[in-house]
Amino acid sequence: GAVVSQHPSWVICKSGTSVKIECRSLDFQATTMFWYRQFPKQSLMLMATSNEGSKATYEQGVEKDKFLINHASLTLSTLTVTSAHPEDSSFYICSASSPSSYNEQFFGPGTRLTVL
Amino acid sequence: AQSVTQLGSHVSVSEGALVLLRCNYSSSVPPYLFWYVQYPNQGLQLLLKYTTGATLVKGINGFEAEFKKSETSFHLTKPSAHMSDAAEYFCAVSPFGGGTASKLTFGTGTRLQVTL
Repeated sequence: GAVVSQHPSWVICKSGTSVKIECRSLDFQATTMFWYRQFPKQSLMLMATSNEGSKATYEQGVEKDKFLINHASLTLSTLTVTSAHPEDSSFYICSASSPSSYNEQFFGPGTRLTVL
Repeated sequence: AQSVTQLGSHVSVSEGALVLLRCNYSSSVPPYLFWYVQYPNQGLQLLLKYTTGATLVKGINGFEAEFKKSETSFHLTKPSAHMSDAAEYFCAVSPFGGGTASKLTFGTGTRLQVTL
């Protein structure tokens, strides 16, 4: 149980375009989803926390207008990177949690974004 | 406020040797502690976690960790390394009783190399 998927697994886009990444909890209802960014050979940095039906809470330094997060249902959250630039290239990982998971987050497989 | 320190960004052991990955934490409240493993271009997989109760926690793949409050440590061990253990390992902390889901603070990671 507790499977989280992400789509796409990798994406290449041109500078200036927008890219949407989906995060789905496949077998449980995720009241909270988290979005992380991971640069090569570095740790995960939390970008934002998303509660279903509410606006996302962004970490300091993360541009909310650039990284749009939507958590419209208990099984789906999306991250849209708007007007992407090469410096946005990174590995984006989502995680999901539910009231019954006692602070445990279940992680998706990640999405590799490359902006040309 | 919470923080995690992982001593040693790279650890190399011989196959069959003891694995010891160090993690120290700082937390203003009692912590939940986690170890995750990440294989290349994949998301994170939970190895084990400490919430409450027994301080020696056993996880998957033969790994275990001991919560030592007096030393603020949660070191990860495995008696005998296997080639398949080669990966990146992350220690993480979240606040105890943080509600439905709490933020994870990750350490910088330790890359485990296993040699023949």
